[in-house]
Amino acid sequence: EVQLLESGGGLVQPGGSLRLSCAASGFTFSSYAMTWVRQAPGKGLECVSVISNSGGGTYYADSVRGRFTISRDNSKNTVYLQMTRLRGEDTAIYYCAKDFKGTYIVQAVSAWGQGTLVTVSS
Amino acid sequence: QSALTQPASVSGSPGQSITISCTGTSSDIGGYNYVSWYQRHPGKAPKLMIYDVSNRPSGVSNRFSGSKSGNTASLTISGLQAEDEADYYCSSYTDSSILLFGGGTKLAVL
Repeated sequence: EVQLLESGGGLVQPGGSLRLSCAASGFTFSSYAMTWVRQAPGKGLECVSVISNSGGGTYYADSVRGRFTISRDNSKNTVYLQMTRLRGEDTAIYYCAKDFKGTYIVQAVSAWGQGTLVTVSS
Repeated sequence: QSALTQPASVSGSPGQSITISCTGTSSDIGGYNYVSWYQRHPGKAPKLMIYDVSNRPSGVSNRFSGSKSGNTASLTISGLQAEDEADYYCSSYTDSSILLFGGGTKLAVL
């Protein structure tokens, strides 16, 4: 059974930093691209970053490019999201998610974590 | 990278068919055959219902079907059932190599 378990969320002041982690199990982690998707209160889903299966390709939404960094450690079956210069509009539940087909990029998502809440407020 | 455009809500009676549209641009829906649809019940994780425009993952009912024309994709649910009441999100692969989601559509089964 595929499991994705996020951690690292919390309350942070504007301008602060936070690192989210997502521990994966139940599949061959190194074969799948991964993504972080967030949902702000009352809003829809937003894909903020994608990382290829090897980690060699990283991609970002315009809203976070230059502030967020995605990475992965295939030896630990874990994907990370380093968030810096956080803003109020970054307040959201952040979900770690797995590519469906096992390709270099994420074309569709087949599994989601339970999410971790990030609140940016003074 | 504006969100794909979906109607906020649609409704139908049991047994009827409904269609949810999802409009993007040539940089996303129009440029790739990587449109997917997700069903989300309150408090639950999204469930993949359609991938690559019109393919169903194993276990998804054949009452769900997808299509695309130009920059607009559509999800059709036939033979509506009470359990289909949920939020539905479309997404597409984009020129930026990330996914772009729609704002979501609330389906009410009356």
